[in-house]
Amino acid sequence: NAGVTQTPKFRVLKTGQSMTLLCAQDMNHEYMYWYRQDPGMGLRLIHYSVGEGTTAKGEVPDGYNVSRLKKQNFLLGLESAAPSQTSVYFCASSYLVRGPPYSNQPQHFGDGTRLSIL
Amino acid sequence: EDKVVQSPLSLVVHEGDTVTLNCSYEVTNFRSLLWYKQEKKAPTFLFMLTSSGIEKKSGRLSSILDKKELFSILNITATQTGDSAVYLCAVRGSSNTGKLIFGQGTTLQVKP
Repeated sequence: NAGVTQTPKFRVLKTGQSMTLLCAQDMNHEYMYWYRQDPGMGLRLIHYSVGEGTTAKGEVPDGYNVSRLKKQNFLLGLESAAPSQTSVYFCASSYLVRGPPYSNQPQHFGDGTRLSIL
Repeated sequence: EDKVVQSPLSLVVHEGDTVTLNCSYEVTNFRSLLWYKQEKKAPTFLFMLTSSGIEKKSGRLSSILDKKELFSILNITATQTGDSAVYLCAVRGSSNTGKLIFGQGTTLQVKP
């Protein structure tokens, strides 16, 4: 099993360019998440999805869009990149145990995408 | 506003030392607290705690939760250089979305 795979691993963009980050998981998880990690700030949730075709905003959604057209894939888009979006982006997935105590299981993370915007 | 605060933010110890990392939280309708270890790349899962007073243990690592005082500690005994990493604490609140709120992380450096 590959787990959670993110592409690309590194990317440099110019201000105003657009790009899409791809996250793919092979664990049949319903839930998927996009985070950004900046120095001294831990991981902050950008957007998340609780199932195919559904997405929702997280803590820092501005400047990003997402889509979940297939259960195994979660795409993060930057329409017009800004230097403030320079960061390391992590994707994660998890599932819900469908029986008592109906608990969300730990999230599994990809290796991250390092994005620099000049 | 939901919040997770870790302390210390960084720590330098020598091999063989014991360390205690702290995590305090404020969250609406607490469900669980998770610890992750992050080396160069992906955070990897260590523990998930849901009940007060029950210690979770894995080798030299252990963790416990106090839901009354709203904190958790992660202990590492007989530290090794391979324990050098960022340790992340996260909490999960009332929604069924599985969303996590992360602390800033504690950077641990273990010197030979």
